[in-house]
Amino acid sequence: GQQLNQSPQSMFIQEGEDVSMNCTSSSIFNTWLWYKQDPGEGPVLLIALYKAGELTSNGRLTAQFGTTRKDSFLNISASIPSDVGIYFCAGQLVGSGGSNYKLTFGKGTLLTVNP
Amino acid sequence: DAMVIQNPRYQVTQFGKPVTLSCSQTLNHNVMYWYQQKSSQAPKLLFHYYDKDFNNEADTPDNFQSRRPNTSFCFLDIRSPGLGDAAMYLCATSRGGLAGAFTDTQYFGPGTRLTVL
Repeated sequence: GQQLNQSPQSMFIQEGEDVSMNCTSSSIFNTWLWYKQDPGEGPVLLIALYKAGELTSNGRLTAQFGTTRKDSFLNISASIPSDVGIYFCAGQLVGSGGSNYKLTFGKGTLLTVNP
Repeated sequence: DAMVIQNPRYQVTQFGKPVTLSCSQTLNHNVMYWYQQKSSQAPKLLFHYYDKDFNNEADTPDNFQSRRPNTSFCFLDIRSPGLGDAAMYLCATSRGGLAGAFTDTQYFGPGTRLTVL
């Protein structure tokens, strides 16, 4: 099935550094979601974006819904060791009928934070 | 106050021995999903229920079945597990796209790690 282009694939950073990752798509979405997955756990929703151009923050996390509706980015400021995990973006086209509920996932960004 | 609960968290089965994984939710959501996730990959949708309506993905093997006896519970049955079915199985729920709604965020459970011996 269709996949999003998520980059980078992995990142190794020092504690305290800022992090940025993004997703791009060849087709538009009207919802962008960012999830974090810890080893052995299910994905946890971090931020949901529902409107083109929307910029939303959740603590040290900030995400934006691109104005073309084909991209989104996630920033993490002042990283800490517990930020370690895999971050997935997911696009969704709600209200389209048929595949109304499907999430199209990126391949994930593996984040490692060195204390 | 867990919202999507999966049991067991770890399941070991033998090659060819049927296994059932369970999911329950306290969100009263209309839609429940089952995903398969293999190592270093994104979750892959197997099927979902909107209320009692079952929707199978075209590439989901017949070996995988599902039941939803009521709003709160959904089961994943693997009739004859093969070694290639070893994976993390994730349950997710969403409210369901109401008429005119433009949001239908999915919430995931903690997953069940299936090992096939």
